[in-house]
Amino acid sequence: AQTVTQSQPEMSVQEAETVTLSCTYDTSESDYYLFWYKQPPSRQMILVIRQEAYKQQNATENRFSVNFQKAAKSFSLKISDSQLGDAAMYFCAYRGGAGSYQLTFGKGTKLSVIP
Amino acid sequence: GAGVSQSPRYKVAKRGQDVALRCDPISGHVSLFWYQQALGQGPEFLTYFQNEAQLDKSGLPSDRFFAERPEGSVSTLKIQRTQQEDSAVYLCATRTWGSLYFGPGTRLTVT
Repeated sequence: AQTVTQSQPEMSVQEAETVTLSCTYDTSESDYYLFWYKQPPSRQMILVIRQEAYKQQNATENRFSVNFQKAAKSFSLKISDSQLGDAAMYFCAYRGGAGSYQLTFGKGTKLSVIP
Repeated sequence: GAGVSQSPRYKVAKRGQDVALRCDPISGHVSLFWYQQALGQGPEFLTYFQNEAQLDKSGLPSDRFFAERPEGSVSTLKIQRTQQEDSAVYLCATRTWGSLYFGPGTRLTVT
């Protein structure tokens, strides 16, 4: 079974600075997808960024980028120019390849942004 | 509507009561998922529908949990004889282009 591990229960960052959230996963599949979701106190899970395992290029969405290391099974999220609105729980998630539909989530990292 | 909506947003039930949680998916989205999120944890898969067909219910924790989507749009998650361990946030999601889009969730508290 796939597992997703987020080893940092809590992180903090100064406003306008950069922070990196860690995620590792375990799988025997070669084709899969990885996601980062943001969950603010309102509870709405918001998709931040997605990475296809077959793509060597790291995904980027505005201030959010990932460092995908397939051999190491590592998928970290970098948030640049942190803003107060970035404060939330961040969940890393894994989905298998074609035919798979279940997401496996990590336990989350609570990010605080210090003004 | 533009997104997935869920109702009620909060539900308090006394132990032993039955509850029904509703999900209104994004119009036209074929796939619908229910997840359960316990306090301090990531969401865990409960069940999956494609249109009105429930293709996977392997995540439902007991036979007290039942989900339906009779016309392939609105879905209801029903919990019978609620127990304290059922207290959690229940999230509904639909899928497009391989990514899940979640509703705001229903926080269920069983007292």
